[in-house]
Amino acid sequence: AQKITQTQPGMFVQEKEAVTLDCTYDTSDQSYGLFWYKQPSSGEMIFLIYQGSYDEQNATEGRYSLNFQKARKSANLVISASQLGDSAMYFCAMREGTGNQFYFGTGTSLTVIP
Amino acid sequence: SQTIHQWPATLVQPVGSPLSLECTVEGTSNPNLYWYRQAAGRGLQLLFYSVGIGQISSEVPQNLSASRPQDRQFILSSKKLLLSDSGFYLCAWTGVGAGTEAFFGQGTRLTVV
Repeated sequence: AQKITQTQPGMFVQEKEAVTLDCTYDTSDQSYGLFWYKQPSSGEMIFLIYQGSYDEQNATEGRYSLNFQKARKSANLVISASQLGDSAMYFCAMREGTGNQFYFGTGTSLTVIP
Repeated sequence: SQTIHQWPATLVQPVGSPLSLECTVEGTSNPNLYWYRQAAGRGLQLLFYSVGIGQISSEVPQNLSASRPQDRQFILSSKKLLLSDSGFYLCAWTGVGAGTEAFFGQGTRLTVV
């Protein structure tokens, strides 16, 4: 079974609008971490935001927030006030507390339309 | 501060030739190290990870191998490249614990011709 599932291969959003990128995960561990990364066309991987499994509050970092729904095993990324520079691939990732693997989803390509 | 170096940035190799990609980390000790491959327009596939010198775990059986001869050095190798080995290879490191993010190198674009 896939550890991380991202069901949106591509998304479009109007500049200045908000957009939600979906991510569901699969683990039987109680302790785990969820991450989102941005990959622009240059290929570099940029860390955006982190949510721990025991965190009760949704994580926020500037215009990024993580909508964490533990019972549904979802960790959606919300980008508010989209900018043209937000156009990139976005990857959801998970690290389980009992292991050392760092699993990534297949990614969502986001295009911001002027 | 910690930094991760990965080279070369681009590589064009003929089918059947050997491969050696190197990754080194500075500013930290005993990192977990990872090799990922990303096919064009696709997600990141975990190839190998290592928790210590000489300790290699393989996620996907394939034409590639990995080695960790030193604490902060991780090498991806192949004896004979296949066309299907083309892709974008990323090295990453993390600290211990589920809450530590992965830090990535700049990646190597490998084209096998």
